[in-house]
Amino acid sequence: AQSVTQLDSHVSVSEGTPVLLRCNYSSSYSPSLFWYVQHPNKGLQLLLKYTSAATLVKGINGFEAEFKKSETSFHLTKPSAHMSDAAEYFCVVSDRRNFNKFYFGSGTKLNVKP
Amino acid sequence: SAVISQKPSRDICQRGTSLTIQCQVDSQVTMMFWYRQQPGQSLTLIATANQGSEATYESGFVIDKFPISRPNLTFSTLTVSNMSPEDSSIYLCSAAPGTGPRDTEAFFGQGTRLTVV
Repeated sequence: AQSVTQLDSHVSVSEGTPVLLRCNYSSSYSPSLFWYVQHPNKGLQLLLKYTSAATLVKGINGFEAEFKKSETSFHLTKPSAHMSDAAEYFCVVSDRRNFNKFYFGSGTKLNVKP
Repeated sequence: SAVISQKPSRDICQRGTSLTIQCQVDSQVTMMFWYRQQPGQSLTLIATANQGSEATYESGFVIDKFPISRPNLTFSTLTVSNMSPEDSSIYLCSAAPGTGPRDTEAFFGQGTRLTVV
């Protein structure tokens, strides 16, 4: 079975400081992992994805994530937060053996203070 | 990539009625999925819709409440039947172009915001 745990429901950082959003996954198979962002009243946008190639994945808007199999983690980071990064972020695992079903984490709301 | 259009974008409905949400993809896709996002919560998968076969429902969701159609490779509908206020949510359509090992990305519609009064 596939599942994702996002360890923080809310994260607050100051503009210009680093961002860390934590995600742990459970998978009985080699997973595909994703981070999606959802701005208020907007659709879901793919930030980055891991599909068993390089373990350090770079995404859009300066975000990156590192797949660590030993820790079953896929944390999202950004060196310097921008006000426009304020949104909700979802860590997602997909089950490639089962029609690529996506399983979402509970989400982390990122607040960026001026 | 795939662009997904959902209609309606929002609706306010009376309890006891039904609403059908349409999802159109700009290219042929193998799998389509329907999700629900209740207020302040994450997305929960309702069902998987494969063209030419019955939809597969996740635990807690049943066909009588959420009938789904998938008449071709670019279109699907989700009906929310006999609505109650607890059905007030955002309903999202998603499409996965393929099911092979390289076909890993899913694309999402903008969602349908449903309020049941």
